[in-house]
Amino acid sequence: GNSVTQMEGPVTLSEEAFLTINCTYTATGYPSLFWYVQYPGEGLQLLLKATKADDKGSNKGFEATYRKETTSFHLEKGSVQVSDSAVYFCALSATGYALNFGKGTSLLVTP
Amino acid sequence: GAVVSQHPSWVICKSGTSVKIECRSLDFQATTMFWYRQFPKQSLMLMATSNEGSKATYEQGVEKDKFLINHASLTLSTLTVTSAHPEDSSFYICSARYAGGEETQYFGPGTRLLVL
Repeated sequence: GNSVTQMEGPVTLSEEAFLTINCTYTATGYPSLFWYVQYPGEGLQLLLKATKADDKGSNKGFEATYRKETTSFHLEKGSVQVSDSAVYFCALSATGYALNFGKGTSLLVTP
Repeated sequence: GAVVSQHPSWVICKSGTSVKIECRSLDFQATTMFWYRQFPKQSLMLMATSNEGSKATYEQGVEKDKFLINHASLTLSTLTVTSAHPEDSSFYICSARYAGGEETQYFGPGTRLLVL
């Protein structure tokens, strides 16, 4: 079946550090891939997405590239800020619009 | 952007009682809403897909008679946990998709249920 595996947290970084959160997936067909972010006390928000191989999704300085050969969609940001502290979820959509989520990775950025 | 609300944000109830959770799309029409359940440190697990005006589609292993879903309008879906038991305690999250067919789902803030 379809599944998403992402690195476990929590991840703690200093402000302006480089961020990578790994995400790999298993799916039949050609899924769309997403990163969602959940700030404290809020609902999940779409951060970025990619719908086909080699597409790069980007938003707010975050990027992720759909790599079919490695079945990966790693999230990166060159310089994190304290305001980026949140839980990040990798997800895929392979059948209709239902989403399969990873377990989430908590990120804490310290000043 | 699109806003989805849930009510209540948290609820405590006695075992055997029923609890209703509302999910509303505030500034858009949603033909499809999804209900997820999240356990601590776990993924969001899809429970059911709710289409306006028709019966919900439940995922394997989810009891349709226990988790009643009603999607009576393009802006409201409700999840009723009937005869709740302590094992039903969890974080329930809904999402909604635009009526226009866009793939993106917009999520509510979640409802935390504690059954004593």
